[in-house]
Amino acid sequence: NAGVIQTPRHKVTGKGQEATLWCEPISGHSAVFWYRQTIVQGLEFLTYFRNQAPIDDSGMPKERFSAQMPNQSHSTLKIQSTQPQDSAVYLCASSLLGANTGQLYFGEGSKLTVL
Amino acid sequence: GEKVEQHESTLSVREGDSAVINCTYTDTASSYFPWYKQEAGKSLHFVIDIRSNVDRKQSQRLIVLLDKKAKRFSLHITATQPEDSAIYFCAASRHYGNEKITFGAGTKLTIKP
Repeated sequence: NAGVIQTPRHKVTGKGQEATLWCEPISGHSAVFWYRQTIVQGLEFLTYFRNQAPIDDSGMPKERFSAQMPNQSHSTLKIQSTQPQDSAVYLCASSLLGANTGQLYFGEGSKLTVL
Repeated sequence: GEKVEQHESTLSVREGDSAVINCTYTDTASSYFPWYKQEAGKSLHFVIDIRSNVDRKQSQRLIVLLDKKAKRFSLHITATQPEDSAIYFCAASRHYGNEKITFGAGTKLTIKP
């Protein structure tokens, strides 16, 4: 079991460019979460999928951020027209629904730097 | 929405002593309270959780206490060891596995020799 896989591990973009981050959840896990971590804001919830369906995107900046889960083996987070304030570590986590635990398994994160 | 506050941003204890990290939450509907640990340069991993149907849970050297009336919960690490040094995050959710989890700001725990 390789755990949650996130790519790329590091991405540097120029202001105004697009960034796409990928997440491969643990096989068999039905829930996928995206969080953003910064020193100032801490861990911020972005969005959540259950069985590939978007359930809660209340944390997503609506205009430039979008997330998809086209199949059970991967999810993407796309940021259009990136801004310096988007610089953060983006964390993907998955969990096994129906188990007697709500434990999230986090990936190593994708560190986005917007210059 | 839910807000989770971690009272200690940093905590330093001597090896072998106990460490206590305190958190409060605002949403009375929250019923699931996990804790995560983040070691330097690494991602988060789960350490222990508690649900609102109990007020105490222990796993080896970790004890979690929950006071629903005060909307307060805490993590007690007994007989601390150097490998306990990390950032600890408390969190709250309305339901395990089916709701978003709101995290506190984190407590950096340092174990002194």
